[in-house]
Amino acid sequence: AQSVTQLDSHVSVSEGTPVLLRCNYSSSYSPSLFWYVQHPNKGLQLLLKYTSAATLVKGINGFEAEFKKSETSFHLTKPSAHMSDAAEYFCVVSERRAGTALIFGKGTTLSVSS
Amino acid sequence: DGGITQSPKYLFRKEGQNVTLSCEQNLNHDAMYWYRQDPGQGLRLIYYSQIVNDFQKGDIAEGYSVSREKKESFPLTVTSAQKNPTAFYLCASSIDRGNAEAFFGQGTRLTVV
Repeated sequence: AQSVTQLDSHVSVSEGTPVLLRCNYSSSYSPSLFWYVQHPNKGLQLLLKYTSAATLVKGINGFEAEFKKSETSFHLTKPSAHMSDAAEYFCVVSERRAGTALIFGKGTTLSVSS
Repeated sequence: DGGITQSPKYLFRKEGQNVTLSCEQNLNHDAMYWYRQDPGQGLRLIYYSQIVNDFQKGDIAEGYSVSREKKESFPLTVTSAQKNPTAFYLCASSIDRGNAEAFFGQGTRLTVV
């Protein structure tokens, strides 16, 4: 069975400092992995996705994530936080077989202070 | 513009009432999903549909019902059997049921009054 664990429920950083949001996954098959961002009372927007091509994935707004199979991790990073990055972030796993919906982590709230 | 439209944005329900949340997509996607979001719990899957006239229960289907009569539409009914319906509901779609990313609507906030 597939599952995803976001290791921090809340991360606080200062503007201009690096961001690290941690995600571990469990999957019996070759997974696809995604990061989504949600601003308050809005839908979710795709930041980036991994689907078995390059293990380092670049996304929108300067975010990137590295797929590490040996560590079953897919951590999200950004070199320099911006105030507009304050939002909730979800790590998501999907297995490549029929009849599978996306499985979401519980989310990490990112706060950015000036 | 292509996308997913959820309506209404805000919905108020009295105790014992059924209410229906609308979700329409013009992306020509086969798969559609309904998620419920509560603070600190992430998104939980209510129902999903891979093709027209077919749908499956997710993790928290009790008290909810859906239909998929048209490819572009996947309405969710919150019945009176759902004892705690106050939440943010998100509809999504994807090209297929495999590893494709999902596209989300802007959500409906349902409140019981």
